[in-house]
Amino acid sequence: EAGVVQSPRYKIIEKKQPVAFWCNPISGHNTLYWYLQNLGQGPELLIRYENEEAVDDSQLPKDRFSAERLKGVDSTLKIQPAELGDSAVYLCASSFGRGVRSYEQYFGPGTRLTVT
Amino acid sequence: LAKTTQPISMDSYEGQEVNITCSHNNIATNDYITWYQQFPSQGPRFIIQGYKTKVTNEVASLFIPADRKSSTLSLPRVSLSDTAVYYCLVGEETGRRALTFGSGTRLQVQP
Repeated sequence: EAGVVQSPRYKIIEKKQPVAFWCNPISGHNTLYWYLQNLGQGPELLIRYENEEAVDDSQLPKDRFSAERLKGVDSTLKIQPAELGDSAVYLCASSFGRGVRSYEQYFGPGTRLTVT
Repeated sequence: LAKTTQPISMDSYEGQEVNITCSHNNIATNDYITWYQQFPSQGPRFIIQGYKTKVTNEVASLFIPADRKSSTLSLPRVSLSDTAVYYCLVGEETGRRALTFGSGTRLQVQP
């Protein structure tokens, strides 16, 4: 079974440019997460979807970040415009089920973003 | 929201058993404990989850004392490939509140 797929794996952009990340979760997984991870730190949740509904986006900087999960499957995270401080690894994860089962998350390899 | 505290780093040698303890003094009655492992340049990987006593799977064991104020992840006979960051997380049983990753414990296994 394929794992969580993310693209691109690496992205280098200049500040003020837009950037988008794509995630394809594991088939059948109803919950999808986007995390940001800075070097030496644990992942920080940006947004969580249950099917196509964003149920937790409290940590998403909505002035420049946006996300969508059309049809409750694939998801796109966008930053516009990017700032130097956005340089990080962006991780997508998915899980199946509710309650404590949702804590068994499957992560993709991440997209390493460098903003120059 | 239960706060977790774990050592920043640990060192071990191949073949040894490694125990990583996580403190969660204000764990709530309906909170569960989950551990993840993260290798360099990869996303975290779910290892094990438990509520009380002992849980064992093919990768690790999780020991949770009766007061549940701490938990210990036990890795039997580590190898170089177990070098990774290990995260301890606490989440309530409804799953409504997102897991919060701390900085984890960086385990370095040497030959």
